[in-house]
Amino acid sequence: EDQVTQSPEALRLQEGESSSLNCSYTVSGLRGLFWYRQDPGKGPEFLFTLYSAGEEKEKERLKATLTKKESFLHITAPKPEDSATYLCAVQDALGGSQGNLIFGKGTKLSVKP
Amino acid sequence: EAGVTQFPSHSVIEKGQTVTLRCDPISGHDNLYWYRRVMGKEIKFLLHFVKESKQDESGMPNNRFLAERTGGTYSTLKVQPAELEDSGVYFCASSQDEGYGYTFGSGTRLTVV
Repeated sequence: EDQVTQSPEALRLQEGESSSLNCSYTVSGLRGLFWYRQDPGKGPEFLFTLYSAGEEKEKERLKATLTKKESFLHITAPKPEDSATYLCAVQDALGGSQGNLIFGKGTKLSVKP
Repeated sequence: EAGVTQFPSHSVIEKGQTVTLRCDPISGHDNLYWYRRVMGKEIKFLLHFVKESKQDESGMPNNRFLAERTGGTYSTLKVQPAELEDSGVYFCASSQDEGYGYTFGSGTRLTVV
């Protein structure tokens, strides 16, 4: 069964304190791994898609990496405006519902000034 | 480009009543998805439309849920009769191509009392 586990559930950082969020996944065949950011009262906002092990993508202070079993979202020198819940999701290339996203529960990031 | 629009943003109904949620996808997006997040759980897939056809409805919890997409434009999700466990946030998402970064709406928070 496809599964996505994110850790930690919550993370508190001081402004400028770099860290990483983890997403471990189990799928029959990975079609894509997605990172989203979600602010309170809003829907998930697309950040990155990664398709194969070794792939990396960057956007401002965020960098996503992918291995065969997990993905990391590295946050470099975070600012208070980076505070949000970060969601990881996968698509299974071999399962019956290939268009669907399978989400983890998310990591709630708080960055204090 | 207008985003994905959902309404109402909030709905509070009594157990046994009927509620209809609406989603207007981004114009030109053939793929429309419904997802749901119940408290404490991850976001889960409900169903997927390609134009006006149901591509996959494997995530629909039971026959109290009915989704339609008339003319391949907006979609509605009706819950009839609502039960307490239906409470949660219902998200709609759309994409031009299946399998790529979806755009989510802000969601409808449904509370059944």
